This record gives sequence, structure tokens and C-alpha cells, in this order.
Amino acid sequence: EAQVTQNPRYLITVTGKKLTVTCSQNMNHEYMSWYRQDPGLGLRQIYYSMNVEVTDKGDVPEGYKVSRKEKRNFPLILESPSPNQTSLYFCASWASGSPYNEQFFGPGTRLTVL
Amino acid sequence: LAKTTQPISMDSYEGQEVNITCSHNNIATNDYITWYQQFPSQGPRFIIQGYKTKVTNEVASLFIPADRKSSTLSLPRVSLSDTAVYYCLVGDNVSNYQLIWGAGTKLIIKP
Repeated sequence: EAQVTQNPRYLITVTGKKLTVTCSQNMNHEYMSWYRQDPGLGLRQIYYSMNVEVTDKGDVPEGYKVSRKEKRNFPLILESPSPNQTSLYFCASWASGSPYNEQFFGPGTRLTVL
Repeated sequence: LAKTTQPISMDSYEGQEVNITCSHNNIATNDYITWYQQFPSQGPRFIIQGYKTKVTNEVASLFIPADRKSSTLSLPRVSLSDTAVYYCLVGDNVSNYQLIWGAGTKLIIKP
């Protein structure tokens, strides 16, 4: 089954404790992206990747890092999480070109930073 | 990037046809119009995309007038399971990797 998976689905942590949220897709998509969603708001793009070893900042990259060492994986790293990073995070992938082509989203990771 | 405006919320009843309109006055020549559906605590799901006139698939229809400054997502014979947030996005399929999501339209279907 074609899908985007994220782990963990839920995470409660404390300020300053480094964490990684994994994202993996099995559709051989070149493009991947991370979003965060806060109550009442649409999605905001954190980082995106156009291919292996090629990444760029989205709208809200501060406090986050990403890497793309393999085509299928695109982990999101919070080196020193803070409470304002409490949010619902989504990973997405798409086949080629613009993100206005169909994107496939993961199930989401709900992160709470105390 | 074209800015979109949608109603914050709508409600309807099972079996009705629901139309959600999105305004995008500064749409560019290369821009496409894309709609996503999002259920609570789930990732958005692509519904439909179009450039002009009318597009129909098994889930919905998308109506785009000649001036392309607005578009209407039409959901035929809705059911309770169509209760979700619907997002309209406008951008081109060639460049620009930053996607701008508005707050969407929260659609509530009543029995």
C-alpha cells in the first residue's frame, strides 16, 4: 500500500531534550515536506526537500533541522525543543515538480513540549 | 503566491449538494486550483485540481469561471462522513515549492 508513515504518532517531552520525528514514504517520490498545524490555522511549511541531500526552508524553519540522506526518509529534528513547538506535525511527499501536484500526507505526530 | 479567501464554516444536511466557494482574485496565468479535505487529527487528502471550466471525479466537481478569480467545490449528496475542513490552494505546477494554506472551510453535515 502506497503510504507516508510517521513515528511516533504522539510524543510528550520536556524543553531542551533533543528529539527526532521520522518520516518515510514508499512511493519513490522525489519531493518531501514537513508542516506544522496549530489550532484554527492551516498548515505551515517548515522545510522541504527536492531530492536526496537537497533541502530548503519553508515558512517557519526556526528551531528545526531536517536531513535527506535517502530518498524514502525525511526526519525532522528538534535540537532543543521549546513549548512554542507544541503542535501537530505532518510529513508529505509528492512525485515531481510543484507541491501543487497531489501531495500524500502522513497520519501526523502530535508533539507536546513541557 | 495567490491569496485565497474561503468561508470559515458551513453546515448542511445529509443528502444535500454542498458548494464551497473560494476567492482568488490575484490568480496568475500558470496557477492551478487545488482542493484538499482534512478530517480531525489526520493529514489532508487531495480531492480535486483544475485550471479552468469544470473538472469532475468520483468525489467532487470543481467549477472555475472564465476569469478564474474564484472557484467552487461541489460535493454531491453529502453524508455525515463528509464533515471535515476543506482547503483551497492556488499556485502553479511548475515552480515555487512553498505551499500557502489558509484556515480552510469547516463543513459540518447534520443528519
